[in-house]
This record gives sequence, C-alpha cells and structure tokens, in this order.
Amino acid sequence: DTAVSQTPKYLVTQMGNDKSIKCEQNLGHDTMYWYKQDSKKFLKIMFSYNNKELIINETVPNRFSPKSPDKAHLNLHINSLELGDSAVYFCASSPAGIYEQYFGPGTRLTVT
Amino acid sequence: GENVEQHPSTLSVQEGDSAVIKCTYSDSASNYFPWYKQELGKGPQLIIDIRSNVGEKKDQRIAVTLNKTAKHFSLHITETQPEDSAVYFCAAITDSWGKLQFGAGTQVVVTP
Repeated sequence: DTAVSQTPKYLVTQMGNDKSIKCEQNLGHDTMYWYKQDSKKFLKIMFSYNNKELIINETVPNRFSPKSPDKAHLNLHINSLELGDSAVYFCASSPAGIYEQYFGPGTRLTVT
Repeated sequence: GENVEQHPSTLSVQEGDSAVIKCTYSDSASNYFPWYKQELGKGPQLIIDIRSNVGEKKDQRIAVTLNKTAKHFSLHITETQPEDSAVYFCAAITDSWGKLQFGAGTQVVVTP
C-alpha cells in the first residue's frame, strides 16, 4: 500500500498557466509538508500543515498556495507558472510531535 | 536559522569498503538529525535518525554518530553494496514543527 502518494508524477505546462499537484497520505499522520528540489538536488521546505492548519510558510512567492481539505490531503496550487518553477515537488507527512517525515514519490514539474 | 553543511558532494567506493559522510550544523538547539537516501527518480527515504540525547545509533550496516559539542554528525555505511549507490542527505530540525533543514547531498557510487 502506498503511504504518501502524489499526482501527477510528471507535469509539463507552459508559462503563465495555473496548475495543481495533489498529495494524499494513508498513514494517519497529522502533519504534512511540501518541499521543492531544484536542479542541483537541493531540498527546501515550502509549507507545512498540522491538522489542516498552516504552521510553516517559508519565503515562497504568493503564486504558490497550499490547501488542506482534511488532514490526509495537502494540495499545492501554482498560479502564473514561471520557468524558475521547474523542479521536483515532494509531499511528506509525519505523526504529530514526532519528527520522522515520510516522503512521496515526487512530481516533476517542467515549465516551458 | 539553521544551516547544514554536508561533505563530500560525491563519494566513490569499491564494493565491500566503508563510506562515511559528514555534516555540520549551526544551531545548537537542533535536536533531531535524520539521514535520507534518494534513488534516481524516487522520493527521499528515511534510513536512520538520531536524537540529541544519543551519541550513536546503528542499524545493520549503517550507523550514525553525533557530536553535540562540535555540532557535527556522520553517516557510516559498512560493507557497501551496489544497491547503496544513491544520493544521501543529512538534515537537522530545530523547532517543534518539524522544519527540516537539509544538507546539499552526497552522491555515493559503489563500484563492483
């Protein structure tokens, strides 16, 4: 069974478009995260939600908006896509109060 | 904020030899140090972690050591195998919300 899943796995789109990436976890965790991995493989946190409440909001353009409809889902919506948004985006989850984070398989976003 | 440095950036070892990756962190309040393995096209996988009240932890062929005074921690892989080839990331957490600060990664290549 998949623990943390993301859709789609690949996303190719043109500059200026709006796109969403979905994440679901079936681990019963309370906290979920979005990370961005750039072309040099550097991983950086973007957002975190705990029980549907935003708790971490790094310096990310406001074109990026996370949404958590329930504690098992955390989606990422990106408006007006730019070339620099091309990266791999990872969702992760962890139990409340415990630090182990479990990552999804990633979504490779390519903006042309 | 926390800053994590990781060395080396690439490591080539002969099968059966040991591999060591070292990380340093800047925030003395950091209290949790995980190591992740990322295979090509996949998400980071937690392989071992250590908390600040422990100096060493071992799990089969992998071990992690932590020196709080010097603010550095290391990953040791013994009897390396070709399937150990991957990118390894160290990370540190300072706050209670699980904000992971990652090192830049080490590309490990195990040659038969």
